[in-house]
Amino acid sequence: NAGVTQTPKFRVLKTGQSMTLLCAQDMNHEYMYWYRQDPGMGLRLIHYSVGEGTTAKGEVPDGYNVSRLKKQNFLLGLESAAPSQTSVYFCASTFRRAGNLDTEAFFGQGTRLTVV
Amino acid sequence: DQQVKQNSPSLSVQEGRISILNCDYTNSMFDYFLWYKKYPAEGPTFLISISSIKDKNEDGRFTVFLNKSAKHLSLHIVPSQPGDSAVYFCAASARDSGYSTLTFGKGTMLLVSP
Repeated sequence: NAGVTQTPKFRVLKTGQSMTLLCAQDMNHEYMYWYRQDPGMGLRLIHYSVGEGTTAKGEVPDGYNVSRLKKQNFLLGLESAAPSQTSVYFCASTFRRAGNLDTEAFFGQGTRLTVV
Repeated sequence: DQQVKQNSPSLSVQEGRISILNCDYTNSMFDYFLWYKKYPAEGPTFLISISSIKDKNEDGRFTVFLNKSAKHLSLHIVPSQPGDSAVYFCAASARDSGYSTLTFGKGTMLLVSP
């Protein structure tokens, strides 16, 4: 059981370049999330999705776009990368149980992105 | 405005002793709290959780205590082991928000020395 898989694991971008980070989960979870982790800042929510075809902004959405065309995949896009987007990005998913809000999140292994 | 606060960036404990990691929150709507453990170069993994209707939850060596009036929770690890050395994140969610997003603290790095 793979759980949550992120692609790629590492990437170096030049300022202004674009890229897409892919997150795939095989647990049939409804909810998916993108977080970034920066030193001394903890995990901050970028965007999230509560189901296929839906997306919503989190705490730090500027400079990012997302898409959830398939239930198992959640894509994070950087249209024009900036050095401030140098970070470790984590994808996560949760399964919402009827009548009980299950907020245990399963995380991917992370993508380390450097923008030079 | 930081809604979940972990005021200790690091904690050092000797093997076999108790580790106590603290977390404070400001949002009174939070009703579910979780602790995650993170090793370097890995994603966070779920450790233990507690609902606001309880004040204690225990799982093996790990116990989480919740003091709602003080908006404070703590994670106790007894006995501590070198393999427990990791960053621990406190997280919270609000049931009434209609979705299960998590708000994380900045983390506490625990070092357990032999």
